[in-house]
Amino acid sequence: KQEVTQIPAALSVPEGENLVLNCSFTDSAIYNLQWFRQDPGKGLTSLLLIQSSQREQTSGRLNASLDKSSGRSTLYIAASQPGDSATYLCAVLQAAGNKLTFGGGTRVLVKP
Amino acid sequence: GAGVSQSPRYKVAKRGQDVALRCDPISGHVSLFWYQQALGQGPEFLTYFQNEAQLDKSGLPSDRFFAERPEGSVSTLKIQRTQQEDSAVYLCASSLSPPSYEQYFGPGTRLTVT
Repeated sequence: KQEVTQIPAALSVPEGENLVLNCSFTDSAIYNLQWFRQDPGKGLTSLLLIQSSQREQTSGRLNASLDKSSGRSTLYIAASQPGDSATYLCAVLQAAGNKLTFGGGTRVLVKP
Repeated sequence: GAGVSQSPRYKVAKRGQDVALRCDPISGHVSLFWYQQALGQGPEFLTYFQNEAQLDKSGLPSDRFFAERPEGSVSTLKIQRTQQEDSAVYLCASSLSPPSYEQYFGPGTRLTVT
């Protein structure tokens, strides 16, 4: 059974620092991995999707890497801003299934 | 453009009541998913439809939970005889077929069972 872990569970940084969020998964037979952002009381906003054949994806200040063989992904957010404060979730799609398996999330606070 | 919509956004039910939660996926999206998110945790898969066919319901926690998508668009998640442990946010997502495409999530329905 796939298990997804996100460390740390919470992170507080001053504005301008780079953020590094980690995600690990136990079964490397994945089809893709998605990073999401969730604001309090809101749904999930997809940030980046990395196919299993890819090593990284970039969108603006966001960069996500994927090392499928070691079961790890990292989300980098450059030059953090207070508006980046939210919970970040990673999720993997199994090659053999249709459901996303989520980590518990990392709650990020960027202090002005 | 219209995203995934869900209604109601908030629902308070007394223990033992039945509830029905609605999801309107993005137009043209063949795949539809339901997830349950407990407070402070990541979402957990409940069930998956491709068009009107329910292909996976392995995540439904009990036979009190029932989902349908009769015409392959709007879906309803029904919970019978609600219990306190059913309190959670219920998220709906849709994607283009096949399901390897990106999943787009609605705002969720927060269910509180008192």
